[in-house]
Amino acid sequence: AQKVTQAQTEISVVEKEDVTLDCVYETRDTTYYLFWYKQPPSGELVFLIRRNSFDEQNEISGRYSWNFQKSTSSFNFTITASQVVDSAVYFCALSESWSSGNTGKLIFGQGTTLQVKP
Amino acid sequence: DTAVSQTPKYLVTQMGNDKSIKCEQNLGHDTMYWYKQDSKKFLKIMFSYNNKELIINETVPNRFSPKSPDKAHLNLHINSLELGDSAVYFCASSQEGYRGETQYFGPGTRLLVL
Repeated sequence: AQKVTQAQTEISVVEKEDVTLDCVYETRDTTYYLFWYKQPPSGELVFLIRRNSFDEQNEISGRYSWNFQKSTSSFNFTITASQVVDSAVYFCALSESWSSGNTGKLIFGQGTTLQVKP
Repeated sequence: DTAVSQTPKYLVTQMGNDKSIKCEQNLGHDTMYWYKQDSKKFLKIMFSYNNKELIINETVPNRFSPKSPDKAHLNLHINSLELGDSAVYFCASSQEGYRGETQYFGPGTRLLVL
């Protein structure tokens, strides 16, 4: 069964600290896709990154970086030099390809609430 | 220029009423979705449509009925509203939907049933 686990419910850091949000997934398929979304206090869901299962290269985008490790079924997200504007709920999600019988739905983790204090 | 829009943004209504939420996307995508976010922030798929055809119906009560008049619109009608229907409902769209394409979400509709 497909499952996404974000074990950290809430994280609180002080501005400029680095913070890593953990994401562990379960799937039986070899072709799948992983995502991170940000939900700021205003409530919208903002897409951050998409990764397919064949691309294990880490990615960096400004202060954001992602570490994808198939061996541990993890797709962790690091914010470097955190800022107050990073305060939000962050969701990790999994989607499998249609070829595996999946329907393209996103399976979300429980979310991690990040609070960055000034 | 909003990519995925939803109306209304807020909806407060009495138990037993019928209400609709509208969703429109101007991204030219083929697949649209409805997700429900509960009070604990948990997000779960409800429905998806690909080119006006129902693809996913995820164990949702019959009181919920999606309607897709064209591939740019996916509306959600809810009959006989119950207290437990209070949640945030998100519409999303993606290019096709079967290759894990990115789903882009609307701003959400906050439904409160009294």
